[in-house]
Parts: sequence; structure tokens; C-alpha cells
Amino acid sequence: EAQVTQNPRYLITVTGKKLTVTCSQNMNHEYMSWYRQDPGLGLRQIYYSMNVEVTDKGDVPEGYKVSRKEKRNFPLILESPSPNQTSLYFCASSFSVLTSVRDEQFFGPGTRLTVL
Amino acid sequence: AQKVTQAQTEISVVEKEDVTLDCVYETRDTTYYLFWYKQPPSGELVFLIRRNSFDEQNEISGRYSWNFQKSTSSFNFTITASQVVDSAVYFCALSVSTGNQFYFGTGTSLTVIP
Repeated sequence: EAQVTQNPRYLITVTGKKLTVTCSQNMNHEYMSWYRQDPGLGLRQIYYSMNVEVTDKGDVPEGYKVSRKEKRNFPLILESPSPNQTSLYFCASSFSVLTSVRDEQFFGPGTRLTVL
Repeated sequence: AQKVTQAQTEISVVEKEDVTLDCVYETRDTTYYLFWYKQPPSGELVFLIRRNSFDEQNEISGRYSWNFQKSTSSFNFTITASQVVDSAVYFCALSVSTGNQFYFGTGTSLTVIP
């Protein structure tokens, strides 16, 4: 089954404790991305990756890191989480953005993160 | 700069009523792509439609229809004869050919009352 998986689905942590949210897709997609969803703000793009070893900042990258060492995986790293990073996080993938038809994104199930 | 505005934060309708969700976008690019996604109470994001800037044809899919008007920079979504299962948050999104990002609106929460 074609899917984007995220782990963990729920996480409660404390300020300053490094954490990683994993994201994996099995569709051989080139483009992957992370979003955060906050009430009243919709979805905002954190980072995206055009392909392996190619990443770039979205609109709200502060406090986050990503890496793309393999095509299927795109982990989100919070090196020193703070309470303002409490949010619902979504990973997404699409075939490519380098085509004349900008493909839709497939989203993971979401990770609800609480930073105390 | 790109921007998507969904001015309707929350809408409630009675079942079987028609409802239109508004989406207004801003971009200076001539080639761009518009999307609608649905987020039901279970939380997942479900793709509904993609439209590129060169295709202004309206589209109908069952009870769903989309009206794309470049003259008003709008890409509105209408649900005909709404059903309780249509209750969800709906997001409009924009991506432009000269960039690699996606820009989402703040979403419209639709409640269909039985």
C-alpha cells in the first residue's frame, strides 16, 4: 500500500530534550516536506527536500533541522525543543515538483507533539 | 510573495444545503497550481483536486465542484446537497512554477448538521 508513515504519532517531551520525528514514504517520491499545523494558522511549511541531499527552508524553519540521506526517509529533528513548537506535524511527499504538472502531496497521519 | 486567504473560518449548514468555500490567492507568477485538501475529524489530509493556471475550466466530481476564476484570483469549492460526512476542515493551497514551496490557507471548518 502506497503510504507516508510518521513516528511517533504522539509525543510529550520537555524543553531542551532533543527529539526526532521520522518520516518514510514507499512511493519513490523525490519531493518530501514537513509542515506544522496550528489553530488559526493553517499548515505552514517547515522544510522541504527536492531529492537526496537537497533540502531547503520553508516559511518556519527556525528551531528545526532535517536531513535526506535516503530517498524514502526525511526525519525532522528538534535539537532543543521549546513550548512554542507544540504543534501537529505532517510529513508529505510527492513525485516531483520539477514537472510541468505539479503533483499533489500525499500526507502522513500526523505527529502531535507537546513540549512542556 | 505568495499567499492564500480563506476568509471563512467556520461554516455551519444543515444537511442537504449547498455550501461554497472561498479561496483567494495572490501570486505574480503566471504559472501556478492550486489545490484543495480535506481534513476530516480523524485528522488525515486528503487530496481533492489540483488545477493549473492555464486551465480555467470548472470541474465537477459528484457533489463537489470547483470554480476557478483568474480575473478574481479565486478558486472556490462548492458542495451540493451537503452530508454529515462532509464535515471537515478544508484547505486551499498554492504552488508556483518558479518555486518549490506550497502555501496553504488557514482552512475553513465545515460542520454539516443532520
